Amino acid sequence: EVRLVESGGGLVKPGGSLRLSCAASGFTFTTYSMNWIRQAPGKGLEWVSSVSTSSDYIYYADSVKGRFTVSRDNAKNSLYLQMHSLRAEDTAVYYCARDGIVGNIGRRFDYWGRGTLVTVSS
Amino acid sequence: DVVVTQSPLSLSVRPGEPASISCKSSQSLLFSDGYHYLDWYLQKPGQSPQLLIYLASNRASGVPDRFSGSGSGTDFTLKISRVEAEDVGVYYCMQALHTPNIFGGGTKVEI
Repeated sequence: EVRLVESGGGLVKPGGSLRLSCAASGFTFTTYSMNWIRQAPGKGLEWVSSVSTSSDYIYYADSVKGRFTVSRDNAKNSLYLQMHSLRAEDTAVYYCARDGIVGNIGRRFDYWGRGTLVTVSS
Repeated sequence: DVVVTQSPLSLSVRPGEPASISCKSSQSLLFSDGYHYLDWYLQKPGQSPQLLIYLASNRASGVPDRFSGSGSGTDFTLKISRVEAEDVGVYYCMQALHTPNIFGGGTKVEI
């Protein structure tokens, strides 16, 4: 069974930093690109970042570029999101999601974690 | 960035009745491999989103056949042939071809 379990969320002051983790199990982690997607309270879904299998290709939404860094540790089957210079508008549930497309074209989020809540507030 | 527009914003349906959601993209989602890179997701109350339809018309594993996706180019539709109580939630389409991936604003389906 595919499982994605996020952790590391919490309350942080504006300008602060936080590191999210996602522990993956039930599939061959090195085969799939991985993603972070967020959802502000009561709002829709926003793709945040993607990292390819060997971390060769990394992409960010413009809203987080320069502040967030995605990484993965294939030996630990884990995905990370280091967040700096956090703003109130970064407040959201952050989901880890697997890209079910094995290849270079498109993305398909076929498995999602339950999410971890990040609250940026003074 | 590609703009993705969903309609309606909300939908109230009686059990057993059909439902239809529209999704329009500002750019074609047809790739040279012949597939349309448009996905549909359902977020049930209190849950994470789940994949319903991929490549415009393919049901994800375990998705009942009352769900169907269609469309081409920039216009796509999700149809539920006979809505059941378990289908309530927010439906999102997403353009899956271009980076950044953009989700539609969502359609809330209520019974």
